[in-house]
Amino acid sequence: GAVVSQHPSWVICKSGTSVKIECRSLDFQATTMFWYRQFPKQSLMLMATSNEGSKATYEQGVEKDKFLINHASLTLSTLTVTSAHPEDSSFYICSAFGGGVSSSYNEQFFGPGTRLTVL
Amino acid sequence: SQQGEEDPQALSIQEGENATMNCSYKTSINNLQWYRQNSGRGLVHLILIRSNEREKHSGRLRVTLDTSKKSSSLLITASRAADTASYFCATAPIGSGNTGKLIFGQGTTLQVKP
Repeated sequence: GAVVSQHPSWVICKSGTSVKIECRSLDFQATTMFWYRQFPKQSLMLMATSNEGSKATYEQGVEKDKFLINHASLTLSTLTVTSAHPEDSSFYICSAFGGGVSSSYNEQFFGPGTRLTVL
Repeated sequence: SQQGEEDPQALSIQEGENATMNCSYKTSINNLQWYRQNSGRGLVHLILIRSNEREKHSGRLRVTLDTSKKSSSLLITASRAADTASYFCATAPIGSGNTGKLIFGQGTTLQVKP
């Protein structure tokens, strides 16, 4: 299957700082990338859909000014958590879709996730 | 928003036994997929079943889909300790087109004891 990487795998920051998470599709060009948030022992919550070259589409209740998404190329999307607070501590997962490698309709390829801890 | 409900929330079995997880959803779908997540990791795609299919097999996995009841089941036969993970169903809602958008269920945590 296609490979998606995320960087960093974990990050600890102080309250009020901004954190950038990168999501890369390593061996294919992803037309769409998705960003999810997952709290312990819970399911994935879709935060936003990111299409290359256009503004991200945010799910209801997700603050677009707090979670900035940039999809500058077909292989890279970034999520910036601005002015992070302890309640933003979570596991953030990206996935990539498209580019001819989604042999199954709507199959997404997931990154390994980034664990954010805000002190 | 979450649209899938899964049961049981947690399942503990002995190695060699079969594990069955169920998923229900609310809206009409194009397809339903099952994913696996090891603790603290990303998700791995297991199997996809289209809305016009009723059953699908892949190795030790068997998935059924009942669109009239808006439900699906995942059966893992002859379980192994390495199958210990969380399992999520995800649906591609009709109207999502070719966007790739998926809605995930709550997940079932499976523990297989050696």
